[in-house]
Amino acid sequence: KAGVTQTPRYLIKTRGQQVTLSCSPISGHRSVSWYQQTPGQGLQFLFEYFSETQRNKGNFPGRFSGRQFSNSRSEMNVSTLELGDSALYLCASSSESGGYTEAFFGQGTRLTVV
Amino acid sequence: DQQVKQNSPSLSVQEGRISILNCDYTNSMFDYFLWYKKYPAEGPTFLISISSIKDKNEDGRFTVFLNKSAKHLSLHIVPSQPGDSAVYFCAASAEGGGADGLTFGKGTHLIIQP
Repeated sequence: KAGVTQTPRYLIKTRGQQVTLSCSPISGHRSVSWYQQTPGQGLQFLFEYFSETQRNKGNFPGRFSGRQFSNSRSEMNVSTLELGDSALYLCASSSESGGYTEAFFGQGTRLTVV
Repeated sequence: DQQVKQNSPSLSVQEGRISILNCDYTNSMFDYFLWYKKYPAEGPTFLISISSIKDKNEDGRFTVFLNKSAKHLSLHIVPSQPGDSAVYFCAASAEGGGADGLTFGKGTHLIIQP
C-alpha cells in the first residue's frame, strides 16, 4: 500500500507570493490533516479535512487555507507569504476523523520564503 | 502555552540498554496519546499509542506507560539499537482527535551509542 505522498518536496518562494502544496493520502483514508513544523514551535496543527469538509482548524491566520477533493487528495494554500512561513509542512492521513486512529505522515514539503 | 512537554531535548543511551523518553501534559481533556519517530528529511513515523483507559501498551521493543494522575507518559525502548537514533515526538489528542488535531511536544533527540 502506498504511503502518504506530498509534492513538491522542496519549494523556494518570494515574500508576497502564494503557494499551493499537495497531499495524496493512503488509499482508503478519508481524513487529511496538515501540520507546520518549525525549529522554534515544533509541530503545529493547521487544519483537518474529512470527506471534502474542513472539520478542525488550528490557530493560524486566514492566509492559510486548504481543500479536499472527492478522491481525498488535499491541497494547502498560503497566500501573501511571509518570511516566518518558512517551515516543513507535513500532511497526515488517517482512516477516520477523530476517534482513536493513528495519523500517518508524508515526507513533507520544505518551504523556504526569501 | 505548551500543553505537551518533552523536557529533555536530547538523550544519549548505550546500545543494548533501556531508553526512557518522558512526556508531560497539562490538558486534562487529552485522552489519546501517541509516540512518533522522525529521521531527518522524513515525516514522523507512528510508533505506538495508548488511550486513557489503559496505563500500559506494548509492541515489541516499545512500551508506553501512562500515569493519568501525574499527567505523564513515557516510552521505553528495550533493548536500544543503533537504528533507534532519531527524534521522538510525543503527541496527544482530546476526545480521540477532536478540535485541535494532534498536539505535539517539541521532541527528544535520542542518540544510541555503540
